[in-house]
Amino acid sequence: LAKTTQPISMDSYEGQEVNITCSHNNIATNDYITWYQQFPSQGPRFIIQGYKTKVTNEVASLFIPADRKSSTLSLPRVSLSDTAVYYCLVGDMRVDSNYQLIWGAGTKLIIKP
Amino acid sequence: DAGVIQSPRHEVTEMGQEVTLRCKPISGHDYLFWYRQTMMRGLELLIYFNNNVPIDDSGMPEDRFSAKMPNASFSTLKIQPSEPRDSAVYFCASSSYGGTAFNQPQHFGDGTRLSIL
Repeated sequence: LAKTTQPISMDSYEGQEVNITCSHNNIATNDYITWYQQFPSQGPRFIIQGYKTKVTNEVASLFIPADRKSSTLSLPRVSLSDTAVYYCLVGDMRVDSNYQLIWGAGTKLIIKP
Repeated sequence: DAGVIQSPRHEVTEMGQEVTLRCKPISGHDYLFWYRQTMMRGLELLIYFNNNVPIDDSGMPEDRFSAKMPNASFSTLKIQPSEPRDSAVYFCASSSYGGTAFNQPQHFGDGTRLSIL
Protein backbone atom coordinates (compact mmCIF):
# COMPACT_ATOMS: atom_id res chain seq x y z
CA LEU A 1 0.00 0.00 0.00
CA ALA A 2 1.41 3.35 -0.99
CA LYS A 3 2.28 5.84 1.68
CA THR A 4 3.71 9.32 1.91
CA THR A 5 6.01 10.29 4.75
CA GLN A 6 7.00 13.79 5.75
CA PRO A 7 8.44 15.31 8.94
CA ILE A 8 5.85 16.20 11.55
CA SER A 9 7.33 19.62 12.25
CA MET A 10 10.18 21.97 11.39
CA ASP A 11 11.46 25.27 12.76
CA SER A 12 13.37 27.95 10.93
CA TYR A 13 14.10 31.67 10.99
CA GLU A 14 13.05 34.55 8.83
CA GLY A 15 15.20 34.94 5.73
CA GLN A 16 16.35 31.32 5.68
CA GLU A 17 15.69 28.74 2.98
CA VAL A 18 13.49 25.86 4.13
CA ASN A 19 13.42 22.42 2.53
CA ILE A 20 10.68 19.91 3.31
CA THR A 21 11.03 16.40 1.94
CA CYS A 22 8.25 13.91 1.29
CA SER A 23 8.82 10.23 0.59
CA HIS A 24 6.32 8.45 -1.67
CA ASN A 25 7.44 4.93 -2.36
CA ASN A 26 4.83 3.84 -4.90
CA ILE A 27 3.81 6.77 -7.03
CA ALA A 28 1.89 5.89 -10.20
CA THR A 29 3.67 6.43 -13.53
CA ASN A 30 1.47 9.25 -14.79
CA ASP A 31 0.85 11.06 -11.57
CA TYR A 32 2.16 14.39 -10.44
CA ILE A 33 3.42 15.45 -7.05
CA THR A 34 1.61 18.39 -5.56
CA TRP A 35 2.28 20.48 -2.49
CA TYR A 36 -0.30 22.44 -0.53
CA GLN A 37 -0.14 25.00 2.26
CA GLN A 38 -2.77 25.26 4.98
CA PHE A 39 -3.35 28.05 7.46
CA PRO A 40 -5.64 27.63 10.49
CA SER A 41 -9.35 27.79 9.68
CA GLN A 42 -8.69 27.67 5.94
CA GLY A 43 -8.64 24.98 3.30
CA PRO A 44 -5.37 23.81 1.79
CA ARG A 45 -3.99 26.06 -0.92
CA PHE A 46 -2.02 24.90 -3.95
CA ILE A 47 1.68 25.84 -3.92
CA ILE A 48 3.42 23.91 -6.67
CA GLN A 49 3.19 20.78 -8.77
CA GLY A 50 5.73 18.74 -10.69
CA TYR A 51 6.35 15.46 -12.46
CA LYS A 52 10.15 15.17 -12.49
CA THR A 53 13.36 17.17 -12.14
CA LYS A 54 12.82 20.74 -10.97
CA VAL A 55 9.90 23.13 -11.09
CA THR A 56 10.00 26.74 -9.91
CA ASN A 57 7.30 29.34 -9.52
CA GLU A 58 7.06 32.68 -7.79
CA VAL A 59 6.78 31.20 -4.29
CA ALA A 60 8.64 27.87 -4.24
CA SER A 61 10.73 25.26 -6.01
CA LEU A 62 10.09 21.56 -6.21
CA PHE A 63 12.89 19.05 -6.67
CA ILE A 64 12.07 15.51 -7.80
CA PRO A 65 14.79 12.89 -8.31
CA ALA A 66 14.79 10.54 -11.26
CA ASP A 67 13.19 7.65 -9.37
CA ARG A 68 10.36 9.97 -8.21
CA LYS A 69 10.18 8.23 -4.86
CA SER A 70 10.56 11.50 -3.03
CA SER A 71 10.20 15.23 -3.54
CA THR A 72 11.53 18.31 -1.79
CA LEU A 73 9.65 21.55 -1.43
CA SER A 74 12.00 24.50 -1.15
CA LEU A 75 10.82 27.83 0.23
CA PRO A 76 13.39 30.60 -0.31
CA ARG A 77 13.83 33.35 2.25
CA VAL A 78 10.89 32.48 4.47
CA SER A 79 8.96 35.05 6.46
CA LEU A 80 6.70 34.80 9.50
CA SER A 81 3.70 34.48 7.19
CA ASP A 82 5.04 31.16 5.89
CA THR A 83 4.18 29.56 9.23
CA ALA A 84 1.65 26.92 8.19
CA VAL A 85 1.16 23.21 7.62
CA TYR A 86 2.54 21.87 4.33
CA TYR A 87 1.15 18.74 2.68
CA CYS A 88 2.48 16.63 -0.16
CA LEU A 89 0.01 14.79 -2.33
CA VAL A 90 0.46 12.06 -4.90
CA GLY A 91 -1.99 9.92 -6.80
CA ASP A 92 -1.61 6.18 -6.75
CA MET A 93 -3.09 3.32 -8.73
CA ARG A 94 -4.94 0.89 -6.55
CA VAL A 95 -5.11 -2.84 -7.18
CA ASP A 96 -8.58 -2.44 -8.71
CA SER A 97 -7.09 0.05 -11.22
CA ASN A 98 -8.84 3.02 -9.70
CA TYR A 99 -6.75 5.90 -8.53
CA GLN A 100 -6.52 7.10 -5.00
CA LEU A 101 -5.04 10.20 -3.48
CA ILE A 102 -2.28 9.79 -0.96
CA TRP A 103 -1.95 12.81 1.29
CA GLY A 104 0.98 13.21 3.60
CA ALA A 105 0.23 13.82 7.28
CA GLY A 106 1.52 17.36 6.95
CA THR A 107 4.59 19.22 8.17
CA LYS A 108 3.97 22.03 10.62
CA LEU A 109 6.48 24.73 9.75
CA ILE A 110 7.14 27.42 12.35
CA ILE A 111 9.11 30.48 11.33
CA LYS A 112 10.72 32.48 14.11
CA PRO A 113 11.83 36.12 13.96
CA ASP B 1 -13.24 35.35 -9.32
CA ALA B 2 -15.16 33.42 -6.66
CA GLY B 3 -13.51 30.37 -5.20
CA VAL B 4 -15.16 27.28 -3.81
CA ILE B 5 -17.95 28.28 -1.48
CA GLN B 6 -19.04 26.10 1.41
CA SER B 7 -21.91 26.55 3.84
CA PRO B 8 -22.42 26.67 6.70
CA ARG B 9 -18.98 27.58 8.11
CA HIS B 10 -19.90 26.15 11.48
CA GLU B 11 -22.54 23.64 12.49
CA VAL B 12 -23.33 22.43 15.98
CA THR B 13 -26.04 19.85 16.40
CA GLU B 14 -27.09 17.00 18.61
CA MET B 15 -26.42 13.36 18.00
CA GLY B 16 -29.04 11.73 15.81
CA GLN B 17 -29.86 14.84 13.82
CA GLU B 18 -29.47 15.09 10.07
CA VAL B 19 -26.66 17.32 8.87
CA THR B 20 -26.37 18.75 5.35
CA LEU B 21 -23.21 20.44 4.14
CA ARG B 22 -23.24 22.43 0.92
CA CYS B 23 -20.67 23.28 -1.71
CA LYS B 24 -20.54 25.45 -4.79
CA PRO B 25 -17.49 24.59 -6.93
CA ILE B 26 -15.60 26.93 -9.20
CA SER B 27 -17.45 27.42 -12.46
CA GLY B 28 -16.08 25.26 -15.26
CA HIS B 29 -14.36 22.73 -13.03
CA ASP B 30 -15.00 19.10 -13.90
CA TYR B 31 -14.17 17.47 -10.58
CA LEU B 32 -15.55 17.95 -7.11
CA PHE B 33 -14.08 16.36 -3.99
CA TRP B 34 -15.35 16.02 -0.44
CA TYR B 35 -12.79 15.63 2.35
CA ARG B 36 -12.85 15.23 6.10
CA GLN B 37 -10.02 16.52 8.30
CA THR B 38 -9.35 15.51 11.88
CA MET B 39 -6.29 15.66 14.08
CA MET B 40 -6.16 11.89 14.36
CA ARG B 41 -6.62 10.94 10.72
CA GLY B 42 -5.55 14.05 8.80
CA LEU B 43 -7.14 14.72 5.40
CA GLU B 44 -9.34 11.91 4.14
CA LEU B 45 -10.94 11.84 0.71
CA LEU B 46 -14.55 10.79 1.12
CA ILE B 47 -15.89 10.88 -2.43
CA TYR B 48 -15.26 12.60 -5.72
CA PHE B 49 -17.42 13.45 -8.73
CA ASN B 50 -16.58 13.91 -12.40
CA ASN B 51 -19.10 15.94 -14.39
CA ASN B 52 -21.66 15.46 -11.60
CA VAL B 53 -21.26 11.67 -11.54
CA PRO B 54 -19.85 9.98 -8.40
CA ILE B 55 -16.68 8.14 -9.40
CA ASP B 56 -15.26 6.78 -6.17
CA ASP B 57 -17.05 6.75 -2.83
CA SER B 58 -14.81 4.20 -1.15
CA GLY B 59 -13.75 6.80 1.40
CA MET B 60 -17.25 7.34 2.72
CA PRO B 61 -17.06 5.95 6.25
CA GLU B 62 -20.46 4.26 6.39
CA ASP B 63 -23.99 4.31 5.06
CA ARG B 64 -24.91 7.25 7.24
CA PHE B 65 -22.94 9.40 4.80
CA SER B 66 -24.27 10.30 1.36
CA ALA B 67 -23.28 12.85 -1.27
CA LYS B 68 -25.06 14.22 -4.28
CA MET B 69 -24.26 16.56 -7.12
CA PRO B 70 -27.51 17.44 -8.87
CA ASN B 71 -25.83 19.93 -11.20
CA ALA B 72 -22.44 21.38 -12.02
CA SER B 73 -22.72 24.20 -9.52
CA PHE B 74 -23.92 22.45 -6.38
CA SER B 75 -23.14 19.47 -4.20
CA THR B 76 -24.26 18.27 -0.79
CA LEU B 77 -22.80 15.93 1.81
CA LYS B 78 -25.38 14.54 4.18
CA ILE B 79 -24.96 12.67 7.45
CA GLN B 80 -28.01 10.92 8.83
CA PRO B 81 -28.08 10.15 11.69
CA SER B 82 -25.08 12.10 12.96
CA GLU B 83 -22.80 10.81 15.71
CA PRO B 84 -20.20 12.56 17.92
CA ARG B 85 -17.37 10.79 16.05
CA ASP B 86 -18.44 12.62 12.89
CA SER B 87 -17.15 15.87 14.41
CA ALA B 88 -14.50 17.22 12.05
CA VAL B 89 -13.82 19.88 9.46
CA TYR B 90 -15.33 18.98 6.10
CA PHE B 91 -13.79 20.45 2.97
CA CYS B 92 -15.04 20.64 -0.56
CA ALA B 93 -12.59 21.12 -3.42
CA SER B 94 -12.86 21.38 -7.19
CA SER B 95 -10.46 21.05 -10.08
CA SER B 96 -10.34 20.98 -13.84
CA TYR B 97 -9.41 17.93 -15.90
CA GLY B 98 -5.74 17.10 -16.49
CA GLY B 99 -5.40 13.52 -17.69
CA THR B 100 -6.47 11.93 -14.45
CA ALA B 101 -8.63 13.22 -11.64
CA PHE B 102 -5.60 14.20 -9.68
CA ASN B 103 -3.19 15.90 -12.03
CA GLN B 104 -4.63 19.37 -11.69
CA PRO B 105 -4.48 21.57 -8.59
CA GLN B 106 -7.48 21.32 -6.32
CA HIS B 107 -9.10 24.50 -5.09
CA PHE B 108 -10.48 24.16 -1.59
CA GLY B 109 -13.24 25.96 0.22
CA ASP B 110 -12.72 27.17 3.77
CA GLY B 111 -14.54 24.18 5.19
CA THR B 112 -17.43 23.47 7.52
CA ARG B 113 -16.52 22.87 11.14
CA LEU B 114 -19.01 20.28 12.37
CA SER B 115 -19.57 19.51 16.03
CA ILE B 116 -21.93 16.73 17.04
CA LEU B 117 -22.86 16.83 20.70
